[in-house]
Amino acid sequence: AQTVTQSQPEMSVQEAETVTLSCTYDTSESDYYLFWYKQPPSRQMILVIRQEAYKQQNATENRFSVNFQKAAKSFSLKISDSQLGDAAMYFCACIDSNYQLIWGAGTKLIIKP
Amino acid sequence: KAGVTQTPRYLIKTRGQQVTLSCSPISGHRSVSWYQQTPGQGLQFLFEYFSETQRNKGNFPGRFSGRQFSNSRSEMNVSTLELGDSALYLCASRGESSYNSPLHFGNGTRLTVT
Repeated sequence: AQTVTQSQPEMSVQEAETVTLSCTYDTSESDYYLFWYKQPPSRQMILVIRQEAYKQQNATENRFSVNFQKAAKSFSLKISDSQLGDAAMYFCACIDSNYQLIWGAGTKLIIKP
Repeated sequence: KAGVTQTPRYLIKTRGQQVTLSCSPISGHRSVSWYQQTPGQGLQFLFEYFSETQRNKGNFPGRFSGRQFSNSRSEMNVSTLELGDSALYLCASRGESSYNSPLHFGNGTRLTVT
């Protein structure tokens, strides 16, 4: 079965600093997509960034970027210039062979003012 | 454009009862997916509907069912509620038929079973 592992239950970072959230996955697919979603206290899951596995270039969205290591099956999220509004649960997800999104357990990100 | 709307926001039911949750996708979106989120199991896929047809289903018992109407609104029904069904139920829509297109989520329905 495909799995997504987020090894950091909680991370904290000082406002304006940079933080990296880890994610590893296991898939037998050759072409797939990976996602990072954030879930603030409002409960709404919001897409942060998406990476296509066949693209070698790491995806970037403003202050958010990924470090995608396909061979290592690693997909970490880097948040630069952290802001108070970035505080949330962050979930990594991968589409499996049954076209279902498999989710990691999440990392709670705390921003210290 | 209005986002994904889920009603109600909160629901309290007792064991053995049944419940129906509603989800209105973003206008123009024909795909609606449902997820269950619990502290212990995390996010788990329930099912997905596309143009009124269920095209994918997760590993949940038959007590969990859903449907989609011609206007793309979807309902999820849980019969014979159990304590373990207490969870946040999230609905998501996508604008394209591709499974790789991003999901747009609602704020969820918090179901408590007593």
